[in-house]
Amino acid sequence: GQQLNQSPQSMFIQEGEDVSMNCTSSSIFNTWLWYKQDPGEGPVLLIALYKAGELTSNGRLTAQFGITRKDSFLNISASIPSDVGIYFCAGQTSYDKVIFGPGTSLSVIP
Amino acid sequence: EAGVVQSPRYKIIEKKQPVAFWCNPISGHNTLYWYLQNLGQGPELLIRYENEEAVDDSQLPKDRFSAERLKGVDSTLKIQPAELGDSAVYLCASSLGRREKRDTQYFGPGTRLTVL
Repeated sequence: GQQLNQSPQSMFIQEGEDVSMNCTSSSIFNTWLWYKQDPGEGPVLLIALYKAGELTSNGRLTAQFGITRKDSFLNISASIPSDVGIYFCAGQTSYDKVIFGPGTSLSVIP
Repeated sequence: EAGVVQSPRYKIIEKKQPVAFWCNPISGHNTLYWYLQNLGQGPELLIRYENEEAVDDSQLPKDRFSAERLKGVDSTLKIQPAELGDSAVYLCASSLGRREKRDTQYFGPGTRLTVL
């Protein structure tokens, strides 16, 4: 079946540093989604990408939909302690099928 | 506006016991999803409802899992009997249900199940 790979699996950074994580798949997706999950909570949508090559920002977050439609990346600039959490990418083939990656765990050291 | 509500938040049971989870979606959301999230992994879809109809239950282990969404609003997910491997977080999500790709899913906080 369809699977997503996320890298890195986990990362520890200093507050103020920029962060980059990515998501790859052997399958083509029509939509890429990036979610953040805090401990004890459900995932919250950060950014949605709908077109190949699309670059979208949401505050300090920037994400891009890869040209091949098989990958996406998420950048966080000037990290702060509340950025701590698990970041999931998700690919969507149709309006009802969303596949989640295994997540990237981010820790920010003050 | 209230988000997706789930209860209980935590449940500890012994194996072979039954357990049920409840979800109240965002008002006006026609589509409801139940996901399973194992430790260190992303959510995996168990079942999707459009109104009261289960339109995708291909990943639901039907020998022990069942779900219902009476009246197309609240939903319950049941496991009977529970096994050790069922220990996980069970997430509920809802969306407006527009048949287009920009239909955002909103997640509840989940129920963390521990089977002893």
